[in-house]
Amino acid sequence: NAGVTQTPKFRILKIGQSMTLQCTQDMNHNYMYWYRQDPGMGLKLIYYSVGAGITDKGEVPNGYNVSRSTTEDFPLRLELAAPSQTSVYFCASSPSGGEQFFGPGTRLTVL
Amino acid sequence: KNQVEQSPQSLIILEGKNCTLQCNYTVSPFSNLRWYKQDTGRGPVSLTIMTFSENTKSNGRYTATLDADTKQSSLHITASQLSDSASYICVVRPSTSGTYKYIFGTGTRLKVLA
Repeated sequence: NAGVTQTPKFRILKIGQSMTLQCTQDMNHNYMYWYRQDPGMGLKLIYYSVGAGITDKGEVPNGYNVSRSTTEDFPLRLELAAPSQTSVYFCASSPSGGEQFFGPGTRLTVL
Repeated sequence: KNQVEQSPQSLIILEGKNCTLQCNYTVSPFSNLRWYKQDTGRGPVSLTIMTFSENTKSNGRYTATLDADTKQSSLHITASQLSDSASYICVVRPSTSGTYKYIFGTGTRLKVLA
């Protein structure tokens, strides 16, 4: 099992550009999450999903969108990148809302 | 407000020494508390989970304790190794029905020196 994979590992965006952060898990987990981790701060939940076709907002959803068309994939979309979205983004999955398995992260810089 | 506070923010110890990391939380009602280890440049990995009724749980050289009355948890690392250098994150799950939103601490950054 590859676990949770994320692409890309690094990305630099200009203000106003758009991009999609990819997340895939091969553990057949129903629950998936997107977090951002800013320096010196705890992880903040952006969006989560409890199954294919079901998504819900977390603490900091503004500026982001998600979709969950399959159990395996949970992409995160940034429509108009802003410097405040500079962060490290982690995708995680969980079989039943318990232990979360995290991907390696995507480091995003918006200039 | 639900919060998780960890101390110290950072810690440097010599290889072979023991250390204890602290986690205080105000989350209520409370379901469980996890400790995660996050190596630099990687995602967090679960070390241990504590439920309301548990006081102590060990995972190799890692021992977590929980005092639900005082809302405090600690992670004790015995005979530290260079590979223990990482951030340790305390995560509390509220027991509110239907929520999957976890409360993350800011972590303790541990550096083990040879």
